[in-house]
Amino acid sequence: DVKVTQSSRYLVKRTGEKVFLECVQDMDHENMFWYRQDPGLGLRLIYFSYDVKMKEKGDIPEGYSVSREKKERFSLILESASTNQTSMYLCASTTEGQGFSGYTFGSGTRLTVV
Amino acid sequence: GESVGLHLPTLSVQEGDNSIINCAYSNSASDYFIWYKQESGKGPQFIIDIRSNMDKRQGQRVTVLLNKTVKHLSLQIAATQPGDSAVYFCAENIGTNAGKSTFGDGTTLTVKP
Repeated sequence: DVKVTQSSRYLVKRTGEKVFLECVQDMDHENMFWYRQDPGLGLRLIYFSYDVKMKEKGDIPEGYSVSREKKERFSLILESASTNQTSMYLCASTTEGQGFSGYTFGSGTRLTVV
Repeated sequence: GESVGLHLPTLSVQEGDNSIINCAYSNSASDYFIWYKQESGKGPQFIIDIRSNMDKRQGQRVTVLLNKTVKHLSLQIAATQPGDSAVYFCAENIGTNAGKSTFGDGTTLTVKP
């Protein structure tokens, strides 16, 4: 019954490493999103994508990039991980237009950068 | 003037009591609102939604109230159960633009047995 799958639940990476967070959805949704969630700061949008090979910056894109080569997969890349990127990362997808009825979220990836 | 509930970061209730969780939204153009529930270690899940042409919508044990005059949402949970313990947050959206919802800060609900 899982619809949005994030490849890792927990990750520990070293400062300076390149980190890939993967997200796959099986609902044929057009839109996919990456958020980070931190205590006291709520959900903050990093990047989103409306279509294959298309990406748009969210509110906090610095230090991140994304890739969407296939409709069902949206990857978040930390080019050079830093300790302030320690966080819970949530992927979400939605349909577009009249069918929009909220986000379907993955279970999250808790990333620790040491 | 009308009194609206304050947003509280935490709420503790006794099992069986009713819970009310409040949310103030920011954009007067928002016309679609969703409540999400996030249990520990999981991603947020859709609970109930409401469009701005309504002021009340009921689900199973949950009711959402919308006051557009003061830009306020509330989520009422009847007969709260231990399984309701979670973080609840609201999201506002404009129309069917699925681009970006704006999420509230969240309220952690703890249900005491």
